[in-house]
This record gives sequence, C-alpha cells and structure tokens, in this order.
Amino acid sequence: AAGVIQSPRHLIKEKRETATLKCYPIPRHDTVYWYQQGPGQDPQFLISFYEKMQSDKGSIPDRFSAQQFSDYHSELNMSSLELGDSALYFCASSGAGGQYNEQFFGPGTRLTVL
Amino acid sequence: EDQVTQSPEALRLQEGESSSLNCSYTVSGLRGLFWYRQDPGKGPEFLFTLYSAGEEKEKERLKATLTKKESFLHITAPKPEDSATYLCAVLGSGGSNYKLTFGKGTLLTVNP
Repeated sequence: AAGVIQSPRHLIKEKRETATLKCYPIPRHDTVYWYQQGPGQDPQFLISFYEKMQSDKGSIPDRFSAQQFSDYHSELNMSSLELGDSALYFCASSGAGGQYNEQFFGPGTRLTVL
Repeated sequence: EDQVTQSPEALRLQEGESSSLNCSYTVSGLRGLFWYRQDPGKGPEFLFTLYSAGEEKEKERLKATLTKKESFLHITAPKPEDSATYLCAVLGSGGSNYKLTFGKGTLLTVNP
C-alpha cells in the first residue's frame, strides 16, 4: 500500500539558511499534518491543512511557513534556521473529512543545522 | 489542555514474557486515542484507534483497551522484533480538530 512520502530524507544546513521540506500524502488523503520531534522527545504538532486550507496551527515558529498545493502535497518552509531547529520532521496524512481519522506518518526528514 | 502520560518510560522483557503498557490521559472530550509504534529514526507506525470506554482492539500479539481515564497496550508472548518505542496519542474536542497530543512513549526491549 502507498505510504506518505517525504523528501529529502536528510538535510544539513548552516545557521541562518533556509530549508524546504516536502510531503506527498497517501493517495486520496486530503489532510496533511506536520510534526517536529526532537531527540528523545515526543512529536510536537506544528500545523495542518485540510483541502488546501490551513486547518490548525500549533507550536510553529513565525520563521516557518507551510502550504498545501492543488495536488495535496505540502511544503514546510523554514527560514533563518537555528541550531535548535535540528530535529526529525514528520508529515502525516489522513483520509476524507480529517476528523477522527487515523493519521499515517511518513518516514521523516532529519534536519541538522550546523 | 490535553495531557498524556505513559508508563513505564522503559520496559525490558524476556521473549515470551507478557506485560502491559499504560497510557493515562486528560482530555476535554475524547474523540480518539491512538497507539503508534516507532522504531529509531523512523516515522510512527499506526497500530490502533480507540473511541469509547470498553472498546478493545487486537493485532497479532498486541491488544489495546480503553477506559475513561487510561488505555493499556497488552503484549502477549513478545518477540525481539516487538522492541520499539510505543507512543500513545489523543485527539480531544477542546479546540483543535486535528492536533494529536502525544505521550513521551514507552521504550520496550524484548531480549531473546
């Protein structure tokens, strides 16, 4: 079965640089979620999109922005990167409606900021 | 604000030694409780969703149960390949329709 695809899988950036993470949801899923997981931490919700509109916002820094495109893929844009942004970034998707549905996670992008 | 507490933080079992993981939650209107398995450096893998007290779900050696205050993940006769971090998460009705609140997880190690 098709799963959530994330790219790149690994990314190394310098402080103050920008990064763009991409997420391709499971086919026919219309809701996308972004989570950040620091070392030894649980995933923290950043932002979500339903039918290309932002549906909820969590602890996402102002330096980060995201959007969902017409083909339902999503991109997380991160600017002025800081050392503390080093983490695993997961995208998840869920099916029609969004509510109550299980969120299926991708393999993640490991971002390292030097 | 929704809160999830998992215990123990770490659990070491011998192969075949059954046990249970606990997930206690505080949420304003439970809309779903989710169990995930996470291997190091990988994304959480969906296991179960439970919606109401008394509900139970099973998958191979795993069985999840739910009460009004907590959920248990029972592992029967575990094998080394069951070693992973098990995450519990809740979806509440107190504001966000989309945000999962996770616990810190239980790191399970099954020795052969």
